[in-house]
Formats: sequence, structure tokens, C-alpha cells
Amino acid sequence: AQTVTQSQPEMSVQEAETVTLSCTYDTSESDYYLFWYKQPPSRQMILVIRQEAYKQQNATENRFSVNFQKAAKSFSLKISDSQLGDAAMYFCAYRSGGFGNEKLTFGTGTRLTIIP
Amino acid sequence: KAGVTQTPRYLIKTRGQQVTLSCSPISGHRSVSWYQQTPGQGLQFLFEYFSETQRNKGNFPGRFSGRQFSNSRSEMNVSTLELGDSALYLCASSPNGGDSGSGFNEQFFGPGTRLTVL
Repeated sequence: AQTVTQSQPEMSVQEAETVTLSCTYDTSESDYYLFWYKQPPSRQMILVIRQEAYKQQNATENRFSVNFQKAAKSFSLKISDSQLGDAAMYFCAYRSGGFGNEKLTFGTGTRLTIIP
Repeated sequence: KAGVTQTPRYLIKTRGQQVTLSCSPISGHRSVSWYQQTPGQGLQFLFEYFSETQRNKGNFPGRFSGRQFSNSRSEMNVSTLELGDSALYLCASSPNGGDSGSGFNEQFFGPGTRLTVL
């Protein structure tokens, strides 16, 4: 079974600074996807960024980028120019590739606080 | 397009009762997944339905069940409620369950139903 580990229960960062959230995973599969989801307080979970395992290039979405180290099974999220609206729980998630695999395996989350 | 909707948003039940939660996916989405979120266990996958069939199931007891209708709306049912069933129940929908040429379909989450068992 696949597992996802987030070792930082809480992180804080000054507004406009950069922060990196860590995630490691364990799998024996070669075809999979990795995700970072954001869950603001009392609001819906939304997808921040995704990475396909077969792609060597790290994914980027505006101020959000990942450092995907496949051999080390590491998938960290970097948030640049942090904004107050970035405050949320961040979940790292794994999904097997292939048809019909919709199950997401989540880490325990990192609560990110933005300091004005 | 309207997002994923879940009803009711809040629910209070007592031990031993049963409850039904509803999820309406984004129009055109055929896959609906359910997750339980608790402070102690985090986010755990319950099951996934695609074209009215349960396609994947997590490690939950048989008290947890679900179904999907022809319009892709889904319900989940919990019978004989226990205190530990108190949680935020999230559903997520995706367009066509991963059978597209790209192999990837983003899942969109609803706001959740907060269930409290007394």
C-alpha cells in the first residue's frame, strides 16, 4: 500500500517570503500522480499543483512550484512571495496511474500560517 | 458551471441512528469519490462510484455504504452510528474517471458535510 508522509504539522512564514513544505511517499508503482491540495479554513479543498511521475520536469503554477525527486520519493512544495490568502492546511496526495484509479492517499497535512 | 454540492452541510445525530449524505457532482462528471476527514485519522478514502458502480473501496466497515444514480448524484449511508463517525465527509467528482487519453482527471471537492454523533 502507498503511504504519504508530511513531517511538518505546522509552518509559518512572513508575508512576501518563500516557504517550502515537505512530503515523502512510499510506493512500488512506476505510474502515479502526486498532488498538493490546499484547504483554507472552512472552505473547500482545491488543487494547487500536480506532478506526473513520468515527467522529469518539476511542475510550476504561478507562485507555486514543486521539487520532485523520484528516486528519493520526495515531493516538496515551494510557495514564493507568500500572501495572506495562502494561509491554509496543505495536503500532499498520491494517486495511482491508469484507468479507474481515483483514490487519493493523503498525508496528514501541514498548517501554514502567514505572518503579516 | 456549478461546483460540487453536498447536502446537508451540518448534521447532528445520536449513536445508533443512521444517516444519509448527498453529493451532486459537477455537471458532466461521472466519477464521485467520498472521503472521511477527522483530526485523528486525517483524510481517508471511503469509496468511489463510476457510472452507478462502486469501482474502488477503502478500509471501512460495512456500516458505510453508498450508491450512485443515473444522473451521477451520489449518496452515502452510515448505519448504526458510533461516536467515532463524527467527521467531515467530503465528496469529489471528476470528469470521466481516468479513461481519457491524457490519463488524468482533476478531482473537484465539495464543501463537505459536518456530521456530529452524540
